[in-house]
Amino acid sequence: EAGVAQSPRYKIIEKRQSVAFWCNPISGHATLYWYQQILGQGPKLLIQFQNNGVVDDSQLPKDRFSAERLKGVDSTLKIQPAKLEDSAVYLCASRSFLGASEQFFGPGTRLTVL
Amino acid sequence: GENVEQHPSTLSVQEGDSAVIKCTYSDSASNYFPWYKQELGKGPQLIIDIRSNVGEKKDQRIAVTLNKTAKHFSLHITETQPEDSAVYFCAASKDTDKLIFGTGTRLQVFP
Repeated sequence: EAGVAQSPRYKIIEKRQSVAFWCNPISGHATLYWYQQILGQGPKLLIQFQNNGVVDDSQLPKDRFSAERLKGVDSTLKIQPAKLEDSAVYLCASRSFLGASEQFFGPGTRLTVL
Repeated sequence: GENVEQHPSTLSVQEGDSAVIKCTYSDSASNYFPWYKQELGKGPQLIIDIRSNVGEKKDQRIAVTLNKTAKHFSLHITETQPEDSAVYFCAASKDTDKLIFGTGTRLQVFP
């Protein structure tokens, strides 16, 4: 089966600009996650969707970050405006259903903010 | 909230030797402990996991042990190979949901 797809793979922007990341989870997976992974650290959860509803966005900096999962399939994560400290890899993961063990990760989008 | 500490941050071993990575978690309600392997330029990949009702789990050269009383869990890799070189992350969660990751261990296996 195809894995989690993310695009773009790399993005370089200047601070105060906007950027958007796209994720296509594994077909049929109801749960979708966005993680932020700063260099040298473990992934940190930003937001969790169950189908097209938000389950947990307690760690999402809502003044600048937004995410949506229209129709419960693809998802986009947006940053507006970007700050230097947003430089990180943004990982998307999906899981088949609540209670299933494994989260499957995509390759990530590496964002550099100059 | 939950906090997961991971040690060591780097580990170098000779091919064929064993490697051990240790993690400590803070939330006694955590009951699911996966280990992920992340290669350069790729997303993390699950290699083994354990639930709190089990003390040890093994899959070929990889094993995980859990001490609930001490809130410790460890990854053991035996007969290491160069392809085991990667960054390894432990994580903890309640009911397999919101994963809290450790800071990672960079494992280098020298031929």
